[in-house]
Amino acid sequence: DTGVSQNPRHKITKRGQNVTFRCDPISEHNRLYWYRQTLGQGPEFLTYFQNEAQLEKSRLLSDRFSAERPKGSFSTLEIQRTEQGDSAMYLCASSSGSIPEAFFGQGTRLTVV
Amino acid sequence: AQKVTQAQTEISVVEKEDVTLDCVYETRDTTYYLFWYKQPPSGELVFLIRRNSFDEQNEISGRYSWNFQKSTSSFNFTITASQVVDSAVYFCALSEVGGALGANSKLTFGKGITLSVRP
Repeated sequence: DTGVSQNPRHKITKRGQNVTFRCDPISEHNRLYWYRQTLGQGPEFLTYFQNEAQLEKSRLLSDRFSAERPKGSFSTLEIQRTEQGDSAMYLCASSSGSIPEAFFGQGTRLTVV
Repeated sequence: AQKVTQAQTEISVVEKEDVTLDCVYETRDTTYYLFWYKQPPSGELVFLIRRNSFDEQNEISGRYSWNFQKSTSSFNFTITASQVVDSAVYFCALSEVGGALGANSKLTFGKGITLSVRP
Protein backbone atom coordinates (compact mmCIF):
# COMPACT_ATOMS: atom_id res chain seq x y z
CA ASP A 1 0.00 0.00 0.00
CA THR A 2 1.44 3.36 -1.01
CA GLY A 3 -0.58 5.55 1.34
CA VAL A 4 -2.83 8.49 0.46
CA SER A 5 -2.01 10.03 -2.90
CA GLN A 6 -2.97 13.54 -4.02
CA ASN A 7 -2.68 15.12 -7.45
CA PRO A 8 -1.52 17.55 -8.49
CA ARG A 9 1.01 18.53 -5.83
CA HIS A 10 1.00 22.15 -6.95
CA LYS A 11 -1.49 24.20 -8.92
CA ILE A 12 -1.23 27.81 -9.99
CA THR A 13 -4.37 29.29 -11.48
CA LYS A 14 -5.76 32.65 -12.42
CA ARG A 15 -8.55 34.16 -10.41
CA GLY A 16 -11.92 33.10 -11.76
CA GLN A 17 -10.76 29.77 -13.16
CA ASN A 18 -12.04 26.39 -11.98
CA VAL A 19 -9.69 23.81 -10.48
CA THR A 20 -10.08 20.16 -9.54
CA PHE A 21 -7.97 18.10 -7.18
CA ARG A 22 -7.88 14.35 -6.83
CA CYS A 23 -7.31 12.15 -3.79
CA ASP A 24 -6.71 8.40 -3.77
CA PRO A 25 -7.10 7.05 -0.23
CA ILE A 26 -5.56 3.96 1.30
CA SER A 27 -7.40 1.15 -0.44
CA GLU A 28 -9.14 -0.48 2.51
CA HIS A 29 -10.23 2.81 4.11
CA ASN A 30 -13.90 3.64 3.78
CA ARG A 31 -13.66 7.18 5.18
CA LEU A 32 -12.15 10.10 3.30
CA TYR A 33 -11.64 13.65 4.56
CA TRP A 34 -10.70 16.98 3.01
CA TYR A 35 -8.97 19.70 4.99
CA ARG A 36 -7.64 23.14 4.11
CA GLN A 37 -4.47 24.61 5.63
CA THR A 38 -3.36 28.21 5.29
CA LEU A 39 0.08 29.49 6.15
CA GLY A 40 0.85 29.36 9.86
CA GLN A 41 -2.40 27.62 10.75
CA GLY A 42 -3.51 24.11 11.50
CA PRO A 43 -5.62 22.17 9.00
CA GLU A 44 -9.34 22.97 9.03
CA PHE A 45 -11.97 20.37 8.29
CA LEU A 46 -13.94 20.81 5.06
CA THR A 47 -15.92 17.63 4.45
CA TYR A 48 -15.90 13.87 4.78
CA PHE A 49 -17.26 10.78 3.08
CA GLN A 50 -18.14 7.34 4.29
CA ASN A 51 -17.90 5.24 1.15
CA GLU A 52 -19.67 7.33 -1.50
CA ALA A 53 -21.89 9.24 0.93
CA GLN A 54 -20.89 12.79 1.90
CA LEU A 55 -21.81 12.84 5.56
CA GLU A 56 -20.73 16.27 6.72
CA LYS A 57 -19.74 19.62 5.25
CA SER A 58 -18.11 22.50 7.10
CA ARG A 59 -19.40 26.06 6.88
CA LEU A 60 -16.02 26.77 5.26
CA LEU A 61 -17.20 24.88 2.19
CA SER A 62 -18.90 27.64 0.21
CA ASP A 63 -21.17 27.03 -2.76
CA ARG A 64 -18.14 27.33 -5.03
CA PHE A 65 -16.70 24.15 -3.55
CA SER A 66 -17.95 20.69 -4.39
CA ALA A 67 -16.57 17.30 -3.46
CA GLU A 68 -17.44 13.90 -4.81
CA ARG A 69 -16.51 10.30 -4.18
CA PRO A 70 -18.49 8.56 -6.91
CA LYS A 71 -17.63 4.93 -6.30
CA GLY A 72 -16.41 5.11 -2.76
CA SER A 73 -12.79 5.02 -3.87
CA PHE A 74 -11.03 8.19 -5.08
CA SER A 75 -12.43 11.65 -4.41
CA THR A 76 -12.32 14.97 -6.23
CA LEU A 77 -12.55 18.47 -4.82
CA GLU A 78 -13.55 21.18 -7.28
CA ILE A 79 -13.35 24.92 -6.70
CA GLN A 80 -15.27 27.07 -9.14
CA ARG A 81 -14.48 30.74 -9.86
CA THR A 82 -11.37 30.69 -7.71
CA GLU A 83 -10.54 33.68 -5.53
CA GLN A 84 -7.23 34.75 -4.03
CA GLY A 85 -8.52 33.72 -0.63
CA ASP A 86 -8.71 30.12 -1.85
CA SER A 87 -4.91 29.96 -1.94
CA ALA A 88 -4.00 27.25 0.56
CA MET A 89 -2.81 23.68 0.97
CA TYR A 90 -5.65 21.20 0.44
CA LEU A 91 -5.09 18.00 2.38
CA CYS A 92 -6.83 14.68 1.97
CA ALA A 93 -6.91 11.98 4.63
CA SER A 94 -8.43 8.55 4.97
CA SER A 95 -9.29 6.21 7.80
CA SER A 96 -11.06 2.97 8.49
CA GLY A 97 -14.08 3.02 10.75
CA SER A 98 -12.44 0.76 13.28
CA ILE A 99 -9.63 3.05 14.40
CA PRO A 100 -9.71 6.84 14.70
CA GLU A 101 -6.32 7.67 13.20
CA ALA A 102 -6.45 9.46 9.88
CA PHE A 103 -3.59 9.17 7.42
CA PHE A 104 -2.81 12.16 5.25
CA GLY A 105 -1.57 12.71 1.76
CA GLN A 106 1.10 15.26 0.87
CA GLY A 107 -1.49 17.82 -0.12
CA THR A 108 -2.15 20.02 -3.13
CA ARG A 109 -0.84 23.56 -2.82
CA LEU A 110 -3.12 25.98 -4.66
CA THR A 111 -1.97 29.46 -5.60
CA VAL A 112 -4.54 31.82 -7.11
CA VAL A 113 -2.97 34.78 -8.93
CA ALA B 1 -17.53 23.26 20.00
CA GLN B 2 -14.07 21.77 20.18
CA LYS B 3 -10.93 23.85 20.48
CA VAL B 4 -7.22 23.06 20.68
CA THR B 5 -4.70 25.60 21.92
CA GLN B 6 -0.97 25.33 21.38
CA ALA B 7 0.39 28.38 23.16
CA GLN B 8 3.99 27.80 22.08
CA THR B 9 4.60 28.90 18.49
CA GLU B 10 8.30 28.22 17.99
CA ILE B 11 10.81 26.22 19.99
CA SER B 12 14.51 25.92 19.27
CA VAL B 13 16.72 23.36 21.00
CA VAL B 14 20.14 21.89 20.55
CA GLU B 15 20.39 18.28 19.49
CA LYS B 16 20.09 15.75 22.33
CA GLU B 17 18.05 18.09 24.50
CA ASP B 18 14.63 16.96 25.65
CA VAL B 19 11.71 19.10 24.51
CA THR B 20 8.08 19.22 25.64
CA LEU B 21 5.28 20.52 23.45
CA ASP B 22 2.18 21.77 25.26
CA CYS B 23 -1.45 21.27 24.25
CA VAL B 24 -4.65 22.36 25.96
CA TYR B 25 -8.04 21.39 24.61
CA GLU B 26 -11.71 22.17 25.11
CA THR B 27 -14.62 19.86 24.39
CA ARG B 28 -18.09 19.18 25.71
CA ASP B 29 -17.78 15.51 24.87
CA THR B 30 -17.16 13.12 27.74
CA THR B 31 -15.19 10.75 25.53
CA TYR B 32 -12.83 11.83 22.78
CA TYR B 33 -9.50 11.12 21.14
CA LEU B 34 -6.34 13.21 21.24
CA PHE B 35 -3.55 13.05 18.68
CA TRP B 36 -0.16 14.42 17.85
CA TYR B 37 0.83 14.82 14.21
CA LYS B 38 4.14 15.94 12.71
CA GLN B 39 4.40 18.00 9.52
CA PRO B 40 7.90 18.09 8.02
CA PRO B 41 8.77 20.57 5.25
CA SER B 42 7.47 18.11 2.64
CA GLY B 43 3.95 18.92 3.87
CA GLU B 44 2.56 15.50 4.69
CA LEU B 45 1.01 15.20 8.13
CA VAL B 46 2.46 12.16 9.86
CA PHE B 47 0.49 10.47 12.63
CA LEU B 48 2.56 10.04 15.81
CA ILE B 49 0.36 9.06 18.75
CA ARG B 50 -3.26 8.74 19.85
CA ARG B 51 -4.72 8.80 23.35
CA ASN B 52 -8.27 7.87 24.34
CA SER B 53 -9.90 10.14 26.90
CA PHE B 54 -11.08 7.14 28.88
CA ASP B 55 -7.55 5.87 29.46
CA GLU B 56 -5.26 8.21 31.38
CA GLN B 57 -2.26 5.93 31.39
CA ASN B 58 0.75 7.82 30.12
CA GLU B 59 3.05 5.95 27.82
CA ILE B 60 6.42 6.00 26.20
CA SER B 61 7.15 4.93 22.67
CA GLY B 62 10.79 5.10 21.80
CA ARG B 63 11.89 8.73 22.17
CA TYR B 64 8.28 9.94 22.41
CA SER B 65 6.25 10.18 25.58
CA TRP B 66 3.02 11.93 26.44
CA ASN B 67 1.32 13.24 29.53
CA PHE B 68 -2.47 13.29 29.44
CA GLN B 69 -4.17 15.13 32.31
CA LYS B 70 -7.94 15.12 31.97
CA SER B 71 -8.37 17.33 35.04
CA THR B 72 -6.47 20.17 33.36
CA SER B 73 -7.46 19.29 29.76
CA SER B 74 -3.84 19.00 28.74
CA PHE B 75 -2.06 16.58 26.45
CA ASN B 76 1.64 17.35 26.40
CA PHE B 77 4.17 15.60 24.18
CA THR B 78 7.85 15.09 24.94
CA ILE B 79 10.68 14.17 22.62
CA THR B 80 13.68 12.80 24.45
CA ALA B 81 17.18 13.29 23.09
CA SER B 82 16.00 15.39 20.15
CA GLN B 83 17.54 14.95 16.72
CA VAL B 84 17.84 17.26 13.72
CA VAL B 85 15.31 15.08 11.87
CA ASP B 86 12.73 16.00 14.51
CA SER B 87 12.62 19.53 13.10
CA ALA B 88 9.04 20.03 11.90
CA VAL B 89 5.72 21.57 12.83
CA TYR B 90 3.87 19.57 15.46
CA PHE B 91 0.10 19.63 15.71
CA CYS B 92 -2.12 18.55 18.54
CA ALA B 93 -5.61 17.46 17.45
CA LEU B 94 -8.91 16.35 18.96
CA SER B 95 -11.78 14.24 17.62
CA GLU B 96 -15.03 12.88 18.91
CA VAL B 97 -15.33 9.18 19.55
CA GLY B 98 -18.10 8.61 17.02
CA GLY B 99 -21.22 6.53 17.24
CA ALA B 100 -22.82 3.73 15.33
CA LEU B 101 -20.94 4.64 12.16
CA GLY B 102 -17.64 3.95 13.82
CA ALA B 103 -14.58 5.95 14.79
CA ASN B 104 -14.66 9.52 13.53
CA SER B 105 -11.47 11.09 12.26
CA LYS B 106 -12.92 14.58 11.86
CA LEU B 107 -10.10 16.44 13.57
CA THR B 108 -9.85 19.82 15.24
CA PHE B 109 -6.25 21.01 15.11
CA GLY B 110 -4.25 23.55 17.04
CA LYS B 111 -2.13 26.11 15.21
CA GLY B 112 1.00 24.04 15.52
CA ILE B 113 4.43 24.45 17.11
CA THR B 114 7.51 24.87 14.93
CA LEU B 115 10.35 22.86 16.41
CA SER B 116 13.88 23.53 15.28
CA VAL B 117 16.62 21.18 16.42
CA ARG B 118 20.12 22.58 15.88
CA PRO B 119 23.14 20.32 15.50
